[in-house]
Amino acid sequence: DAGVIQSPRHEVTEMGQEVTLRCKPISGHNSLFWYRQTMMRGLELLIYFNNNVPIDDSGMPEDRFSAKMPNASFSTLKIQPSEPRDSAVYFCASSLSVPKNYEQYFGPGTRLTVT
Amino acid sequence: GIQVEQSPPDLILQEGANSTLRCNFSDSVNNLQWFHQNPWGQLINLFYIPSGTKQNGRLSATTVATERYSLLYISSSQTTDSGVYFCAVAAPSGGYNKLIFGAGTRLAVHP
Repeated sequence: DAGVIQSPRHEVTEMGQEVTLRCKPISGHNSLFWYRQTMMRGLELLIYFNNNVPIDDSGMPEDRFSAKMPNASFSTLKIQPSEPRDSAVYFCASSLSVPKNYEQYFGPGTRLTVT
Repeated sequence: GIQVEQSPPDLILQEGANSTLRCNFSDSVNNLQWFHQNPWGQLINLFYIPSGTKQNGRLSATTVATERYSLLYISSSQTTDSGVYFCAVAAPSGGYNKLIFGAGTRLAVHP
């Protein structure tokens, strides 16, 4: 079974440009998560969805960040406009989220560099 | 919110040595996972262990939820064990899904 798929793997963009990161969760999983990893802040949860519905977006840093999950097999994280401080590795994760099984599985990440 | 502390922050081993990594958390949890982030950045699931003991090859883990800690044991370490080990927990107040990560233990295994 394929794991969590993310694209692109690397993204380099200029400040002010729009950036869209994409994620395909593991088939059958009903929860999807977006995390960001930086040297300063470590790994932090940005937002998560359950059954395609956003449940907690308290980790989204600013209004420049938005996330959508139009169906069970696809999600996007958009940054508009991007800033150099958004440079980080962005991970998508998914889980089955049933009682006694909330294990999350991570994708390979997207390394974003904003110049 | 819940605090997660991992120790030691850095660890250097000779190949073949054993080690114990610790994760302390400040509140009761209903989800605890150990991950290995390899040198290429991939986060690999090691254990889903909100309580009890599990073993997988040379690795094992124990979580004592009542005392708010978890231990990860690595036996007969290999150079491929190098990387950063993360403990992540979710507290009931945040649901089962809101994982909070520790700062990690950076392990280097030398031949």
